[in-house]
Amino acid sequence: AQKVTQAQTEISVVEKEDVTLDCVYETRDTTYYLFWYKQPPSGELVFLIRRNSFDEQNEISGRYSWNFQKSTSSFNFTITASQVVDSAVYFCAPPADRGSTLGRLYFGRGTQLTVWP
Amino acid sequence: GAVVSQHPSRVICKSGTSVKIECRSLDFQATTMFWYRQFPKQSLMLMATSNEGSKATYEQGVEKDKFLINHASLTLSTLTVTSAHPEDSSFYICSATGPGQGETQYFGPGTRLLVL
Repeated sequence: AQKVTQAQTEISVVEKEDVTLDCVYETRDTTYYLFWYKQPPSGELVFLIRRNSFDEQNEISGRYSWNFQKSTSSFNFTITASQVVDSAVYFCAPPADRGSTLGRLYFGRGTQLTVWP
Repeated sequence: GAVVSQHPSRVICKSGTSVKIECRSLDFQATTMFWYRQFPKQSLMLMATSNEGSKATYEQGVEKDKFLINHASLTLSTLTVTSAHPEDSSFYICSATGPGQGETQYFGPGTRLLVL
């Protein structure tokens, strides 16, 4: 079964525009963590956020914000006033089910964000 | 904090040779390390999970004799691609997590392997 859907394969915006990356996930767990990672052209995955399923408050970190809706299994990511350096592939990663190794994550195909100057 | 290094960053080898890739957690104890493979413009494919001092758990379809994983210490895991062939050319990435990291995986910078 599919574990995560990032419906937008590619998004292009112009610098300073706001952009939202969608993430819908599947899990059989009642409590879990969700993650977002960024993969710039260099290839290294950069950890952005970990969200506990107990906490449905929106989170803001600088130009980044996340909207978590447990009822719809969505965990969307918004970049405000985008910059060229935000260009990267972004992965939403829900956990594997608890029956498997703790900490295993599922990565979908990600969303390629390109920010043009 | 939570820095993971990977070495080498890129390697070119001849078909039939073996290549070892090291993954190190620099500032935390990595009780669990993961190895991924990524083809261009594709997602990360989990190859195996290794817990310190235990045998690695391989994902379905991953040949354990082909991709040898050792996790002998709390800061080091190695992936050896044995008898590499051109189809093994890929981007290999490790990640690590451990006590105090809240199940967050911290990734190394990756290793680009090219087998000629």
